Formats: sequence, C-alpha cells, structure tokens
Amino acid sequence: AQSVAQPEDQVNVAEGNPLTVKCTYSVSGNPYLFWYVQYPNRGLQFLLKYITGDNLVKGSYGFEAEFNKSQTSFHLKKPSALVSDSALYFCAVRDIRSNYQLIWGAGTKLIIKP
Amino acid sequence: GAVVSQHPSWVICKSGTSVKIECRSLDFQATTMFWYRQFPKQSLMLMATSNEGSKATYEQGVEKDKFLINHASLTLSTLTVTSAHPEDSSFYICSAPPPGGLANTEAFFGQGTRLTVV
Repeated sequence: AQSVAQPEDQVNVAEGNPLTVKCTYSVSGNPYLFWYVQYPNRGLQFLLKYITGDNLVKGSYGFEAEFNKSQTSFHLKKPSALVSDSALYFCAVRDIRSNYQLIWGAGTKLIIKP
Repeated sequence: GAVVSQHPSWVICKSGTSVKIECRSLDFQATTMFWYRQFPKQSLMLMATSNEGSKATYEQGVEKDKFLINHASLTLSTLTVTSAHPEDSSFYICSAPPPGGLANTEAFFGQGTRLTVV
C-alpha cells in the first residue's frame, strides 16, 4: 500500500537557523513526490516536486528537498529560516490510481521563532 | 498560470441546512476535479472525484447523498453538503489536474472553504 509519513507533528526552529521537515514514503515503482505549504485558513501552495533527475530539488521561497531512494525519504530543507515560513507543511506522493490524486502525509507544523 | 478559484472561503450555517461550495478553473478546462476534506490537525482525505458529464466517483465511506457533487461544465464543479450537521464542520479543498493532462506536473488547488455548522 502507498503511504507517506511525516514523523514530526511540530518542528521549532530559531530564525536564521537551518530547518528540516522530514518525510518518508512507501510506494511501488518510482515515486512522484511533492511538498505543499498551507497558511492558516488558506488553500495549499505548491512548493516543489521530485519526478526524476537530480536528487536535490529546489522550489519556491528558498526551499529544497532531497530525494533519497535508499532511505525512501524526501526531507524538506531550507538553509536559513524566516518567521514567515511558519505554516503547515504537507508531503505527498502521487496515487498510482490516478495521475493527479495525491496521498498525503499528516502534516508538520513549522514554527519559526524570532 | 492556471488558477483554481474556490468560493466561498468560509461559511457558517445552521444545522439542517445545505451549503454549496463552488470550484472553478480559470483560463483552463478541467474535466476532472478532486474534492478533499481536512479535519483539524489532520491531513487531507480525498472525498470524491467529479467528472464533467458523468457521475462523481466517491471514496469508500463518503456518503453520496450527503455530499452531492455536480460537475456542470468544463470549468465548474460544485460540492453541496446537504442537511449539514456540526460534525460536517471541516476545511474542504478542491483541486484540478493541470491543463493538457501533462503527466509530470502537479494539480492546482483552490483556496479552500472553512465550513462551520452551528
């Protein structure tokens, strides 16, 4: 069965420090992986995706994620956190039943403290 | 770029009434729309897939008669929560595949609708 796990409910980081939000996945075949961000009472905004190619994917707002096939992980990273990065982050994998349905992780609340 | 517009962004209704949520694809045609539901502090769960010109496909456990989905045109899909109850209070989000159906691009999401049933 396909699944996505985000092991941390919440991550706290001081402004200016590097941040990592963890994601692991379980899929059959090659995974299509995504990161989305959600600000309070708002819809989802696409950050980045991995389909194929370089394992390090760069996305919006200075975020990047590293695809690690051996560890089945796709952790989201940013070298220097901003207070405005505080939000809810979701990792997702494409459902093999459909090109555009996604299977979602539980989400990780990121809190950046000044 | 392609945009999906969802309306309303929030709604408060009385228990027993019905609420309609609209999802429109702007500047592109969407033959398929996905409807998700998000409970507080939980992830998104796919409720159903609407298809223009045919019946929606519901996920297991989702009540078809309670969550009516209509894909009236290539740019509009609606979700109607009928006889709403407080337990229906949630955040509902729609999404549409990118135009052209390119396999390597992500779906577009609406802004979401916060439904509160009192």
